[in-house]
Amino acid sequence: DAGVIQSPRHEVTEMGQEVTLRCKPISGHDYLFWYRQTMMRGLELLIYFNNNVPIDDSGMPEDRFSAKMPNASFSTLKIQPSEPRDSAVYFCASSLVGISTEAFFGQGTRLTVV
Amino acid sequence: GDSVTQMEGPVTLSEEAFLTINCTYTATGYPSLFWYVQYPGEGLQLLLKATKADDKGSNKGFEATYRKETTSFHLEKGSVQVSDSAVYFCALRGKAAGNKLTFGGGTRVLVKP
Repeated sequence: DAGVIQSPRHEVTEMGQEVTLRCKPISGHDYLFWYRQTMMRGLELLIYFNNNVPIDDSGMPEDRFSAKMPNASFSTLKIQPSEPRDSAVYFCASSLVGISTEAFFGQGTRLTVV
Repeated sequence: GDSVTQMEGPVTLSEEAFLTINCTYTATGYPSLFWYVQYPGEGLQLLLKATKADDKGSNKGFEATYRKETTSFHLEKGSVQVSDSAVYFCALRGKAAGNKLTFGGGTRVLVKP
C-alpha cells in the first residue's frame, strides 16, 4: 500500500478563498483523523471518523471548517472562507480499529493563507 | 478527558549522550501508549508502542516502559546520533475516549556532532 496520501502538498491561497484538502487513507482502515499543526498550538485533533461517520468534531475551530468522508477511500477538509490564521500544516492519518493499533500519517498539506 | 503532558524542548545534546524525554498521561481505563517521531518536513511516524502496564516498547535503540502506577511512558536512548534530531510526540489511545488518538505537545531534540 502507498500509505496515506494527501493532496496538495502545498497550497497558497488568498484570504477569503475556499480551500479543500484531500486525503486517501490506507485501504481497509476504519478510522480517519484530521490534525492541524502550528508552532503556537502544536498538534490539534480537528475531527475523526469511524467507518465514514464523524465521531468527534469538537476540535473543529469554527463553522468555516467542514469535513466529509463520502466513502472509505476519500476524505476532504474544507475551509470557507479562509483566513491567515488558518495557515498551518494539516495532517490526515488512518488506522485499523482497536486502541492498540497505531495511526499512519500522510505527508501533510502546508497551507498558507495570505 | 484524556490528556498527555511531555517535557518542553528544545533538548540539545551532544552525540553519544543519553536522552530522556518525560511523558505523563491522564486517562480513564487502560489506554495504549505510543511514541511518534517527526523529521523535518515529514509526517509523524510510529517509533514504538506499549499496550498494557509494564510492557516495554523498543525500536532503533529507543525504549519506553508503560508505568501505570506513575502514569508515565518516558522515552530513553542510551547514545544518540545526529540523525536522531527530530520532534518526538507521546500519545495515547483509549476506548473510554472513543478510540481517539491524543498527542502531547511534542519535544524538539537537537543532537550536535
